[in-house]
Parts: sequence; C-alpha cells; structure tokens
Amino acid sequence: LAKTTQPISMDSYEGQEVNITCSHNNIATNDYITWYQQFPSQGPRFIIQGYKTKVTNEVASLFIPADRKSSTLSLPRVSLSDTAVYYCLVGDLRHGSGNTGKLIFGQGTTLQVKP
Amino acid sequence: GAGVSQTPSNKVTEKGKYVELRCDPISGHTALYWYRQSLGQGPEFLIYFQGTGAADDSGLPNDRFFAVRPEGSVSTLKIQRTERGDSAVYLCASSPMAGANNEQFFGPGTRLTVL
Repeated sequence: LAKTTQPISMDSYEGQEVNITCSHNNIATNDYITWYQQFPSQGPRFIIQGYKTKVTNEVASLFIPADRKSSTLSLPRVSLSDTAVYYCLVGDLRHGSGNTGKLIFGQGTTLQVKP
Repeated sequence: GAGVSQTPSNKVTEKGKYVELRCDPISGHTALYWYRQSLGQGPEFLIYFQGTGAADDSGLPNDRFFAVRPEGSVSTLKIQRTERGDSAVYLCASSPMAGANNEQFFGPGTRLTVL
C-alpha cells in the first residue's frame, strides 16, 4: 500500500473552507484514494473516495490531479462539529484478487475548528 | 438501521487476565475487521474475516491474541495473559463486500485498560 503524508494538524474558523492535502508519490495504478473522519471516542467514518479528477458528495470534495501523486480533501464552510481527525488512505481496497480490503491508517490530520 | 455495535464499551482488567471483546456487525455484512488504536495514532489492522474464516490475521501482534466468528456474524476478539501494552481502543468494522470502494463501517470501539 502506498505511503501517505499529510499535515499533523490544522486550525480553521467556522465558515471557512478547509483544504487538507495528502501526498502519495508511490500510488499504484489500481489504488484508490479514500478519506475517513474520526471524532473523539468514535470509530472512523468514511467520507469520500476517488480515483482521478474530482469527486463531490454532500460532505466534501476530493480533488485529484492528473498524476495522482497527491489529493486534496475540501470541506466547505466548516463548523465546530467538523473538528476531528481526517485520515488519507491509498490502496486497492477492492475485495478479490488477493486483496483483503484492510485499511492502513497513518496519523491523520487533526483539524481544530474555532468559533 | 443499526450500525456496528461493540461490547463492552470499557473494560478494565489486571495484568495477566483473559478478556473477550465482542463485535456485532451490520446484518448481512460478510467482511469483518478488527483494528487497534493507541492514543494519538491511527487504527492498526489486526485481523480480517470473510464469513466464518480468518482470511488475514497478519496484524495480530502475537499468539496471545485470537479472534473467532463461528457463524459468520458476531465476532469475538480474545486476549490471553493481558499486558499493560495491550491497553488501547479496539475497533471493529464491517463491510458488505460489494463494489469497489469497500466502505467500512466502524463501531464505537472497546476501550481496554490493563492495570
């Protein structure tokens, strides 16, 4: 699984857009980019996943450049409740072909949203 | 619908004791994962079940750790002769094992403290 690098922590204020960038220089052709969010005393929660270009859902957007060596999670107009740890994961998460789908987490980015 | 549940939510035990941690996955999910999370770190993979069988136990730290899933639903993580270093939050996740994204649904975890 490709190694990822992301900032340890970020601060923001309510109402701002937050962009968290993740580097994954060794991403493989079959790898997807997945982001999870974890609140204190809870398990991680899937946010978004993409392979290339841009993906948007009701929670976030994921921007992936053509070389796929990095990706940016964008959270629009954050609120205090978005304070959490955000994990970037890269890998072929599909079941089958010898894949177990296990997730390999790094340290994540702790986002602190201030009033 | 009901999510992944884990019991107990907290477990305090003494060094050398045996503990069992239970996971109830989402109904119908065939894939089940156990992870362990130490303070300030991301979750660390322990073991993966596909149905009743442990398809990947490469993350179990040593032979004191064992997990079962006899009927392909509920799983129990068993730790023998607990050590202080086993103290962590133990997370369980399940997945329907369909589609490419393998979104995993996590439970709230069991916080294990070994005194």
